Amino acid sequence: DSGVTQTPKHLITATGQRVTLRCSPRSGDLSVYWYQQSLDQGLQFLIQYYNGEERAKGNILERFSAQQFPDLHSELNLSSLELGDSALYFCASSEGTGGLLEQYFGPGTRLTVT
Amino acid sequence: GEDVEQSLFLSVREGDSSVINCTYTDSSSTYLYWYKQEPGAGLQLLTYIFSNMDMKQDQRLTVLLNKKDKHLSLRIADTQTGDSAIYFCAEIITSGTYKYIFGTGTRLKVLA
Repeated sequence: DSGVTQTPKHLITATGQRVTLRCSPRSGDLSVYWYQQSLDQGLQFLIQYYNGEERAKGNILERFSAQQFPDLHSELNLSSLELGDSALYFCASSEGTGGLLEQYFGPGTRLTVT
Repeated sequence: GEDVEQSLFLSVREGDSSVINCTYTDSSSTYLYWYKQEPGAGLQLLTYIFSNMDMKQDQRLTVLLNKKDKHLSLRIADTQTGDSAIYFCAEIITSGTYKYIFGTGTRLKVLA
Protein backbone atom coordinates (compact mmCIF):
# COMPACT_ATOMS: atom_id res chain seq x y z
CA ASP A 1 0.00 0.00 0.00
CA SER A 2 1.61 3.22 -1.22
CA GLY A 3 -0.56 5.49 0.94
CA VAL A 4 -2.00 7.19 -2.14
CA THR A 5 -5.73 6.65 -2.57
CA GLN A 6 -7.80 7.08 -5.69
CA THR A 7 -11.53 6.96 -6.18
CA PRO A 8 -13.42 5.50 -7.83
CA LYS A 9 -11.64 2.27 -8.78
CA HIS A 10 -13.74 1.78 -11.87
CA LEU A 11 -15.86 4.17 -13.87
CA ILE A 12 -18.00 3.43 -16.90
CA THR A 13 -19.56 6.30 -18.76
CA ALA A 14 -20.76 7.30 -22.20
CA THR A 15 -19.15 9.44 -24.86
CA GLY A 16 -19.71 13.14 -24.40
CA GLN A 17 -20.00 12.88 -20.63
CA ARG A 18 -17.84 14.45 -17.93
CA VAL A 19 -16.22 12.66 -15.00
CA THR A 20 -14.12 13.59 -12.00
CA LEU A 21 -11.37 11.40 -10.63
CA ARG A 22 -10.13 11.98 -7.13
CA CYS A 23 -6.74 11.47 -5.52
CA SER A 24 -5.55 11.78 -1.93
CA PRO A 25 -1.76 11.95 -1.60
CA ARG A 26 0.33 10.32 1.09
CA SER A 27 0.35 12.19 4.35
CA GLY A 28 2.93 14.98 4.15
CA ASP A 29 3.32 14.89 0.37
CA LEU A 30 2.82 18.23 -1.34
CA SER A 31 3.06 17.16 -4.98
CA VAL A 32 0.42 15.30 -6.92
CA TYR A 33 0.93 13.94 -10.42
CA TRP A 34 -1.60 12.56 -12.88
CA TYR A 35 -0.81 9.94 -15.52
CA GLN A 36 -2.80 8.20 -18.21
CA GLN A 37 -1.97 4.62 -19.14
CA SER A 38 -3.52 3.23 -22.29
CA LEU A 39 -2.64 0.33 -24.55
CA ASP A 40 -1.75 2.43 -27.55
CA GLN A 41 -0.09 5.41 -25.83
CA GLY A 42 1.65 3.73 -22.93
CA LEU A 43 2.13 5.77 -19.77
CA GLN A 44 1.77 9.49 -20.33
CA PHE A 45 2.40 12.20 -17.80
CA LEU A 46 -0.50 14.64 -17.72
CA ILE A 47 0.07 17.27 -15.06
CA GLN A 48 1.69 17.99 -11.69
CA TYR A 49 0.54 20.19 -8.83
CA TYR A 50 2.66 21.30 -5.93
CA ASN A 51 1.02 22.76 -2.86
CA GLY A 52 -1.98 23.92 -4.86
CA GLU A 53 -0.12 25.37 -7.81
CA GLU A 54 0.36 23.86 -11.25
CA ARG A 55 4.02 22.88 -11.48
CA ALA A 56 4.51 20.92 -14.69
CA LYS A 57 2.39 20.06 -17.66
CA GLY A 58 2.67 17.10 -19.96
CA ASN A 59 0.42 15.75 -22.66
CA ILE A 60 -2.84 16.87 -21.13
CA LEU A 61 -5.70 17.54 -23.52
CA GLU A 62 -7.64 20.80 -23.32
CA ARG A 63 -10.75 18.76 -22.46
CA PHE A 64 -8.99 17.68 -19.28
CA SER A 65 -8.28 19.84 -16.27
CA ALA A 66 -7.03 19.30 -12.77
CA GLN A 67 -6.74 21.12 -9.50
CA GLN A 68 -5.25 20.61 -6.08
CA PHE A 69 -7.21 21.75 -3.09
CA PRO A 70 -5.98 23.32 0.19
CA ASP A 71 -6.16 19.91 1.89
CA LEU A 72 -3.82 18.71 -0.91
CA HIS A 73 -6.20 16.25 -2.48
CA SER A 74 -6.50 16.57 -6.23
CA GLU A 75 -9.18 16.07 -8.84
CA LEU A 76 -8.81 15.35 -12.52
CA ASN A 77 -11.77 16.43 -14.62
CA LEU A 78 -12.32 14.82 -17.99
CA SER A 79 -15.00 16.31 -20.22
CA SER A 80 -16.52 15.64 -23.63
CA LEU A 81 -15.29 12.09 -23.25
CA GLU A 82 -14.29 10.09 -26.29
CA LEU A 83 -13.79 6.36 -26.72
CA GLY A 84 -10.04 6.96 -26.84
CA ASP A 85 -10.08 8.36 -23.32
CA SER A 86 -10.65 4.86 -21.98
CA ALA A 87 -7.56 4.17 -19.91
CA LEU A 88 -6.11 3.68 -16.46
CA TYR A 89 -5.56 7.01 -14.73
CA PHE A 90 -2.91 7.02 -12.06
CA CYS A 91 -2.23 9.58 -9.44
CA ALA A 92 1.15 9.75 -7.72
CA SER A 93 2.45 11.90 -4.92
CA SER A 94 5.82 12.98 -3.62
CA GLU A 95 7.11 15.06 -0.76
CA GLY A 96 8.69 17.81 -2.79
CA THR A 97 9.19 18.82 -6.35
CA GLY A 98 12.16 19.03 -8.65
CA GLY A 99 15.44 17.23 -8.25
CA LEU A 100 15.37 13.60 -7.19
CA LEU A 101 11.82 12.49 -6.72
CA GLU A 102 10.25 9.35 -5.45
CA GLN A 103 6.74 9.26 -6.66
CA TYR A 104 4.35 6.94 -4.87
CA PHE A 105 1.64 5.71 -7.18
CA GLY A 106 -1.97 5.06 -6.32
CA PRO A 107 -3.81 1.95 -7.53
CA GLY A 108 -5.44 3.83 -10.42
CA THR A 109 -8.93 4.51 -11.71
CA ARG A 110 -10.00 2.48 -14.70
CA LEU A 111 -12.17 4.59 -16.98
CA THR A 112 -14.22 2.93 -19.68
CA VAL A 113 -15.99 5.16 -22.17
CA THR A 114 -18.71 3.41 -24.18
CA GLY B 1 12.66 14.82 -29.29
CA GLU B 2 11.78 13.09 -26.08
CA ASP B 3 11.22 9.41 -26.60
CA VAL B 4 12.03 6.47 -24.39
CA GLU B 5 11.93 3.09 -26.09
CA GLN B 6 11.93 -0.43 -24.72
CA SER B 7 11.33 -3.86 -26.15
CA LEU B 8 7.81 -5.02 -25.33
CA PHE B 9 8.39 -8.55 -24.05
CA LEU B 10 11.04 -10.62 -22.32
CA SER B 11 10.76 -14.20 -21.18
CA VAL B 12 13.34 -15.89 -18.93
CA ARG B 13 13.60 -19.04 -16.84
CA GLU B 14 13.54 -18.84 -13.07
CA GLY B 15 17.06 -18.45 -11.71
CA ASP B 16 18.44 -16.90 -14.90
CA SER B 17 19.39 -13.25 -15.25
CA SER B 18 17.04 -10.82 -16.98
CA VAL B 19 18.27 -7.80 -18.88
CA ILE B 20 15.78 -5.12 -19.80
CA ASN B 21 16.99 -2.42 -22.16
CA CYS B 22 15.93 1.14 -22.72
CA THR B 23 17.03 3.88 -25.07
CA TYR B 24 16.30 7.52 -24.62
CA THR B 25 16.79 10.48 -26.89
CA ASP B 26 17.05 13.54 -24.69
CA SER B 27 20.60 14.02 -23.49
CA SER B 28 19.59 16.68 -20.96
CA SER B 29 18.11 14.05 -18.64
CA THR B 30 19.59 14.34 -15.20
CA TYR B 31 17.98 11.28 -13.65
CA LEU B 32 16.91 7.93 -15.05
CA TYR B 33 14.57 5.58 -13.23
CA TRP B 34 13.25 2.06 -13.35
CA TYR B 35 9.70 1.37 -12.20
CA LYS B 36 7.88 -1.93 -11.76
CA GLN B 37 4.16 -2.44 -12.33
CA GLU B 38 2.62 -5.64 -11.04
CA PRO B 39 -0.74 -6.80 -12.44
CA GLY B 40 -3.58 -4.57 -11.30
CA ALA B 41 -1.31 -2.23 -9.39
CA GLY B 42 0.29 1.15 -9.77
CA LEU B 43 3.95 1.74 -10.48
CA GLN B 44 6.59 1.22 -7.85
CA LEU B 45 10.02 2.79 -7.98
CA LEU B 46 12.69 0.10 -8.21
CA THR B 47 15.88 2.06 -8.57
CA TYR B 48 17.37 5.14 -10.18
CA ILE B 49 20.71 6.39 -11.45
CA PHE B 50 22.20 9.83 -11.78
CA SER B 51 23.30 10.69 -15.27
CA ASN B 52 26.92 11.12 -14.14
CA MET B 53 27.12 7.49 -13.04
CA ASP B 54 27.88 4.43 -15.19
CA MET B 55 26.59 1.74 -12.92
CA LYS B 56 24.57 1.24 -9.80
CA GLN B 57 24.05 -1.99 -7.94
CA ASP B 58 21.23 -2.58 -5.49
CA GLN B 59 20.96 -6.19 -4.26
CA ARG B 60 19.77 -8.25 -7.26
CA LEU B 61 19.42 -5.17 -9.46
CA THR B 62 22.19 -3.65 -11.57
CA VAL B 63 21.62 -0.52 -13.61
CA LEU B 64 24.03 0.30 -16.41
CA LEU B 65 24.08 3.65 -18.16
CA ASN B 66 25.84 4.37 -21.42
CA LYS B 67 25.43 8.10 -21.91
CA LYS B 68 27.21 8.13 -25.25
CA ASP B 69 24.70 5.69 -26.74
CA LYS B 70 21.81 6.93 -24.55
CA HIS B 71 21.25 3.38 -23.41
CA LEU B 72 20.04 2.25 -20.02
CA SER B 73 19.69 -1.32 -18.86
CA LEU B 74 18.32 -3.11 -15.82
CA ARG B 75 19.75 -6.49 -14.94
CA ILE B 76 17.87 -8.68 -12.47
CA ALA B 77 20.02 -11.49 -11.11
CA ASP B 78 18.49 -14.83 -10.09
CA THR B 79 15.10 -13.87 -11.54
CA GLN B 80 12.14 -15.16 -9.55
CA THR B 81 8.51 -15.71 -10.53
CA GLY B 82 7.64 -12.72 -8.34
CA ASP B 83 9.66 -10.55 -10.71
CA SER B 84 7.05 -11.09 -13.44
CA ALA B 85 5.72 -7.60 -14.12
CA ILE B 86 5.98 -4.69 -16.52
CA TYR B 87 9.15 -2.64 -16.15
CA PHE B 88 9.28 0.99 -17.21
CA CYS B 89 12.32 3.14 -17.61
CA ALA B 90 11.70 6.83 -17.15
CA GLU B 91 13.55 10.07 -17.43
CA ILE B 92 12.84 13.32 -15.70
CA ILE B 93 13.98 16.20 -17.81
CA THR B 94 14.77 19.18 -15.65
CA SER B 95 15.71 21.82 -18.21
CA GLY B 96 13.07 24.51 -17.99
CA THR B 97 9.85 22.94 -16.77
CA TYR B 98 9.91 19.40 -15.50
CA LYS B 99 8.81 16.63 -17.86
CA TYR B 100 8.30 13.01 -16.86
CA ILE B 101 8.79 10.69 -19.82
CA PHE B 102 8.12 6.98 -19.45
CA GLY B 103 9.13 4.20 -21.78
CA THR B 104 6.65 1.86 -23.39
CA GLY B 105 7.26 -0.79 -20.74
CA THR B 106 8.74 -4.28 -21.02
CA ARG B 107 6.58 -7.18 -19.90
CA LEU B 108 8.82 -9.69 -18.13
CA LYS B 109 7.54 -13.25 -17.86
CA VAL B 110 9.45 -15.62 -15.62
CA LEU B 111 8.98 -19.29 -16.40
CA ALA B 112 9.18 -21.78 -13.55
